[in-house]
Amino acid sequence: EPEVTQTPSHQVTQMGQEVILRCVPISNHLYFYWYRQILGQKVEFLVSFYNNEISEKSEIFDDQFSVERPDGSNFTLKIRSTKLEDSAMYFCASRADLGTGELFFGEGSRLTVL
Amino acid sequence: SQQGEEDPQALSIQEGENATMNCSYKTSINNLQWYRQNSGRGLVHLILIRSNEREKHSGRLRVTLDTSKKSSSLLITASRAADTASYFCATDEYNFNKFYFGSGTKLNVKP
Repeated sequence: EPEVTQTPSHQVTQMGQEVILRCVPISNHLYFYWYRQILGQKVEFLVSFYNNEISEKSEIFDDQFSVERPDGSNFTLKIRSTKLEDSAMYFCASRADLGTGELFFGEGSRLTVL
Repeated sequence: SQQGEEDPQALSIQEGENATMNCSYKTSINNLQWYRQNSGRGLVHLILIRSNEREKHSGRLRVTLDTSKKSSSLLITASRAADTASYFCATDEYNFNKFYFGSGTKLNVKP
């Protein structure tokens, strides 16, 4: 069964360092998303992406964050200068259709900022 | 809050009992979906109900939607220990590529 894959599964970084989280969405999907979940808390929308550009972003997704689809398969989330409060699970999701389709999630990347 | 709230925040029941979780949201929606998350894992889609539907069933799951009250409920019948997880509602916002999750209900089903 097709699945969304995320790497790395866990990354530890020092405050102020840049981090890139990678996702491979399901191949025929057109809409891509990043979410964040601080331990045990709610799943927060960060950004949606379609047709090689950002569709929507939340107030969390400030200038420190960026997303890119550098080739036909990868979808990346970059945090330029990490802060302690960026420590969280980051989930990538994709879906085929807007408005009617379910989201398919990866297993997440755990980011720990020291 | 990005979207809505769910209640209860936590629910503990015995195997075989029914579990009901409620979700409220704020905006106009295309559809509402329920997801399950096992601890530390990704979210898995359970069921989708469109804005023009009032009730939907899938196996042991029953979902209702009241758009006038901007609320939904998820009923899991004859619960099993394997149903222990967090359950989230998610709203697909009308005309926007936004997909917001509620705060979740942690369900514990005791064997």
